[in-house]
Amino acid sequence: DTAVSQTPKYLVTQMGNDKSIKCEQNLGHDTMYWYKQDSKKFLKIMFSYNNKELIINETVPNRFSPKSPDKAHLNLHINSLELGDSAVYFCASSSWRSGTGYTFGSGTRLTVV
Amino acid sequence: GEDVEQSLFLSVREGDSSVINCTYTDSSSTYLYWYKQEPGAGLQLLTYIFSNMDMKQDQRLTVLLNKKDKHLSLRIADTQTGDSAIYFCAPGGTGKLIFGQGTTLQVKP
Repeated sequence: DTAVSQTPKYLVTQMGNDKSIKCEQNLGHDTMYWYKQDSKKFLKIMFSYNNKELIINETVPNRFSPKSPDKAHLNLHINSLELGDSAVYFCASSSWRSGTGYTFGSGTRLTVV
Repeated sequence: GEDVEQSLFLSVREGDSSVINCTYTDSSSTYLYWYKQEPGAGLQLLTYIFSNMDMKQDQRLTVLLNKKDKHLSLRIADTQTGDSAIYFCAPGGTGKLIFGQGTTLQVKP
């Protein structure tokens, strides 16, 4: 299936732990994104990579570090997790400036306890 | 910075038309999108409009754009219970989509 796939779908972890979320797309897109959706459903962009180069880096704590090993993958590593990091994290991909919109993954629900 | 505002909630009866409104601040938006999010799922692209258009119709969906007032609306004709979801407008400019909180559409049988 052509898609944007994220793993894991659910992640429950304790405060202070380090965790990673993985994202892969097989749509041939050159740009990938991480968005955070809070409990009020507000969606905010965190990072964007175009051809493995970081092009958008919004104001997020430096505990969050994206890594793009190639155009098809964008992972998100989070150090020293805090309660406030609990949210749904969405990966998305697009063709840069093509106007065709983003394709989103199904999300990773992160719960920090 | 860029901002997107939508009313948070809309309730309609099955078979009625629904109109979801959106205002935005980024005047450089080239494409403006509507996404749908069902519970526990990701965002699904519904439709979009190019910034030099006033209207676009796509089956039951009609998008209206007032670029001067930076106002975008989505009309869903003959709303069905399966249309119940959160709807996000997302103006696209400077290489990123800006989302607001979305509008929760409740369709009553």
